[in-house]
Amino acid sequence: GENVEQHPSTLSVQEGDSAVIKCTYSDSASNYFPWYKQELGKGPQLIIDIRSNVGEKKDQRIAVTLNKTAKHFSLHITETQPEDSAVYFCAAPKGGSNFGNEKLTFGTGTRLTIIP
Amino acid sequence: GAVVSQHPSRVICKSGTSVKIECRSLDFQATTMFWYRQFPKQSLMLMATSNEGSKATYEQGVEKDKFLINHASLTLSTLTVTSAHPEDSSFYICSAQRGGTIRPDTQYFGPGTRLTVL
Repeated sequence: GENVEQHPSTLSVQEGDSAVIKCTYSDSASNYFPWYKQELGKGPQLIIDIRSNVGEKKDQRIAVTLNKTAKHFSLHITETQPEDSAVYFCAAPKGGSNFGNEKLTFGTGTRLTIIP
Repeated sequence: GAVVSQHPSRVICKSGTSVKIECRSLDFQATTMFWYRQFPKQSLMLMATSNEGSKATYEQGVEKDKFLINHASLTLSTLTVTSAHPEDSSFYICSAQRGGTIRPDTQYFGPGTRLTVL
């Protein structure tokens, strides 16, 4: 099965600066990497995802890069704003039997704080 | 959009009682739904996978007789915590997949249900 590691666990960034969160995965067959944002007391919200046929995807201030050789992917948030403060989770397919490719294994999360 | 709702958002119950949590896909049909639990300041842990019209598949270590899952329609899955105890107190979150052609399919999450067992 897949093992996902996420760093850093906490990140404080001055408003307007960029934030980068990195995840590594273990299964070279993994082909889908979503990022979720979770605000306090709420469910995770998909903010961007990438499939293994591309190396980068961008949506306004948010981008994700994927390095299949090194088996890591990163979330980049530019021009950070106070409303970006939340916990961010990366994920990858869990693998294995019983619909393993549809299940997700989540990273341990990064608590991002934007300092006004 | 892909909106998933959960009900209730919060529930407090006495030890030994059963609690039912509903997960609904509001604007799409969900062939597969997932149930997770999340302890404070921790990540999401998958409990089970629910497919419409068939039995749920549980992750290792999750008691299927304690966490009953029913996926009666393409828009509704329910999780029943039977004989709840304080250690079952947690944040329970469901997710749903549209069942599109691109695999793996995107998971859209509900807002979560905070269960407190006294």
